[in-house]
Amino acid sequence: GAVVSQHPSRVICKSGTSVKIECRSLDFQATTMFWYRQFPKKSLMLMATSNEGSKATYEQGVEKDKFLINHASLTLSTLTVTSAHPEDSSFYICSARKGGSYEQYFGPGTRLTVT
Amino acid sequence: AQSVTQLDSQVPVFEEAPVELRCNYSSSVSVYLFWYVQYPNQGLQLLLKYLSGSTLVKGINGFEAEFNKSQTSFHLRKPSVHISDTAEYFCAVTYGGSQGNLIFGKGTKLSVKP
Repeated sequence: GAVVSQHPSRVICKSGTSVKIECRSLDFQATTMFWYRQFPKKSLMLMATSNEGSKATYEQGVEKDKFLINHASLTLSTLTVTSAHPEDSSFYICSARKGGSYEQYFGPGTRLTVT
Repeated sequence: AQSVTQLDSQVPVFEEAPVELRCNYSSSVSVYLFWYVQYPNQGLQLLLKYLSGSTLVKGINGFEAEFNKSQTSFHLRKPSVHISDTAEYFCAVTYGGSQGNLIFGKGTKLSVKP
């Protein structure tokens, strides 16, 4: 149990376009979902926290207008990178947490390459 | 500020040797501690966790960790490593009373050589 999927696993897009990444909890309801960014050979950097039905809470330094997060249901959160630039190329990982639990379950990640 | 320190960025070790990956956290009244493993181009997989109870925690793949409150440490150990254990290992902490956000260490690259 507690499986989290991400789609797509890899995406290449042109500079200036937008790309959407989906994060789904497959066998549980996730009251909270998290979005992380991981640079090569670096740790995970929390970008934002989203609770179902409410606006996401962004970490300091993360542009909310550039990284749009929607948590429309208890099993789905989306991250949209708008007007992507090459510096947005990175590995994006989501995680999901059940209500009342401290444990996060991680998705397999999405490799975004902006050309 | 709350923080997690993984003192070793890289740990090379020979196959079948024991290994210890170190993790220290900034002190707090209540903490919940996790170790995750990440294989190349993959997400994070939970190895083990400490929420309460016994300070010695056993996880998957033969790993274990000990919560030491006085030393604010949660070191990960394995008595005999395999080539397949080569990966990046992350220690993470959630502090009680917070929103439950995980604070990650910078990771330790474990390289197991034949």
